[in-house]
Amino acid sequence: EDQVTQSPEALRLQEGESSSLNCSYTVSGLRGLFWYRQDPGKGPEFLFTLYSAGEEKEKERLKATLTKKESFLHITAPKPEDSATYLCAVQAGRGSTLGRLYFGRGTQLTVWP
Amino acid sequence: DTAVSQTPKYLVTQMGNDKSIKCEQNLGHDTMYWYKQDSKKFLKIMFSYNNKELIINETVPNRFSPKSPDKAHLNLHINSLELGDSAVYFCASSQEGPFLEQETQYFGPGTRLLVL
Repeated sequence: EDQVTQSPEALRLQEGESSSLNCSYTVSGLRGLFWYRQDPGKGPEFLFTLYSAGEEKEKERLKATLTKKESFLHITAPKPEDSATYLCAVQAGRGSTLGRLYFGRGTQLTVWP
Repeated sequence: DTAVSQTPKYLVTQMGNDKSIKCEQNLGHDTMYWYKQDSKKFLKIMFSYNNKELIINETVPNRFSPKSPDKAHLNLHINSLELGDSAVYFCASSQEGPFLEQETQYFGPGTRLLVL
């Protein structure tokens, strides 16, 4: 069965302290891996899509990378406003899983001043 | 302009009642989804519609019935509400149908359902 595991469950960083979040997946033919940010009381907000191993994407202090088994979300010099839950999701290849996104349970990031 | 909107934002009701949640998207997308997020923040797909046709129907009690009057709207009707239905329900939409290449799903703000 397709699975997505995120680690750590929670991460506390001091402002400026860089770190990485991990998303490991087992899926039958990856079509795409997605990173979302979710603030309390709001819907997930799209950040990145990665399609193939070796691909990297950046947005401000965030950089997402992808290998054949996992993705990392690197946060460089985080600020308190980066505090949120970061969700990883994968979309499998054609077949019975058409269109489905399989989500991990998220990493709750807290950045304190 | 809100891309994906849901109503109501909060819904508090008694067990056994029937309720509906509405979703609208103004992105011109062809596919819409319903997700359920439990108390541990786990987000799981329930249904998806592509051009008003049901595409994904996960293992969801038949008390849940989605309806898509047109491709910009997807409603969720829940009969005989149970305590375990308490959760946050998210609507999402994507530009291309699930049969095409990679797509990005955009989410609404969620409907917080509490069954007492």
